[in-house]
This record gives sequence, structure tokens and C-alpha cells, in this order.
Amino acid sequence: EVQLVESGGDLVQPGGSLRLSCAASGFTFSSHWMHWVRQAPGKGLVWVSRINSDGSSIAYADSVKGRFIISRDNAKNTLYLQMNSLRAEDTAVYYCARRTTGAAPYYFDYWGQGTLVTVSS
Amino acid sequence: DIQMTQSPSSLSASVGDTVTITCRASQSISSYLNWYQQKPGKAPKLLIYAAFSLQSGVPSRFSGSGSGTDFSLTITSLQPEDFATYYCQQSYSTPWTFGQGTRVEIK
Repeated sequence: EVQLVESGGDLVQPGGSLRLSCAASGFTFSSHWMHWVRQAPGKGLVWVSRINSDGSSIAYADSVKGRFIISRDNAKNTLYLQMNSLRAEDTAVYYCARRTTGAAPYYFDYWGQGTLVTVSS
Repeated sequence: DIQMTQSPSSLSASVGDTVTITCRASQSISSYLNWYQQKPGKAPKLLIYAAFSLQSGVPSRFSGSGSGTDFSLTITSLQPEDFATYYCQQSYSTPWTFGQGTRVEIK
């Protein structure tokens, strides 16, 4: 069974840092591109970042570029999101999501349960 | 970035009704359009991928159509478990973008 389990969410002060993790199981993690998507309280889904299967290609939303770093450890089947210089507007539930492999069109076929990040003084 | 616009933002419907949600892309995205359902406090769930392909395990009352810039999600014979928020999402180009969501409420 495919499972994605996020952790690391917490209450952090503005300007602070946090590292989120997404532990994957039940599939060949190293074969899949992985994404982070966030959802502010009561708001819609917003794409944050993605990383290809071996970590050599990365992309970020403009809103987090220069502050967040996505990475992965295929030996540990884990995806990460290092979040620096956090702002109140980064407050959200953060989901990791698995992108399908093979030919396009691609989509997210599995999502984690989410981890809440609250940025507040 | 490609903008995705859903309509309506919300709708009220009764069990057994047929509802249609539309999604418009700001430029052509071919058939690179996916639909997700989200219930309160839960992660999104894939319903439809590549505009019209039904994800395994999803009831056949859900259907998708469209290509280019205009897409729709139709739910026939609405069931109590279908009351949720629905999002379209394009995977044509990075950043992948979502519509703002359509909340389907019980009338």
C-alpha cells in the first residue's frame, strides 16, 4: 500500500525555520518525481515545489523561491522541505504528493495527510 | 503562469441531482487537466486525470470532458458522500496551478 506521511509541522515565529519530512512507503520512491502543495486555512490548493526522481531538477513557486529548499534522500525514501525566513503567509497545511511516472499527462495519484505549519509571534 | 478559473465557486444541490463544474485555462493545456475532490480536514483525492480518464476506484457517476482551454466535471445522481470541494489542476507546465475550488453543498 502506498503511503506518504508528512511530519515536522509546528508553530514558528516569523523569520524562523522549519524542516518538513515526507516518509514514503509501498512503492519505489526513487522512480517518482515528488511535489509539495500547501493550503492556507480556509483557502485553496497552491503548488509549492517539485523535485525529480534523482534530485537533479528542482522548481519552486515564486512565493517561496530563495527561502525554501526541496530535497530528497532516496536511500531513506524521504522527501524534505527546508523552510527558511518564514512569513505569516506561509501558514498552511503542507502536503507531499506523488507524481505519476511514464508518459504525460501527469497527475498526483497519492497525497499525504498533511502537516500544519503556523507562523506567528 | 497558467491561470485556472473554476465556476461556480459554490453551488447547492440535492441528492440525485446532476451538477457540472467548469474550469477554464488561461492558455491551451491540451488534455493536461486533472480533477480532485477534497473533504474537510482531508487530503485531496484524484478523481479524473488527463481531462476525462476516471481514476481507478472512483464511481462512474463522475465524468470529465474538454480539451484546450475549457473543461468540465460532471457528477450525475449526486450522492451524500459527494458533498465536498472540487479542484481542477493543470499539469501542462510548471508551476502546476489549481483552480480556486468549487464547494458543493447540500440544498
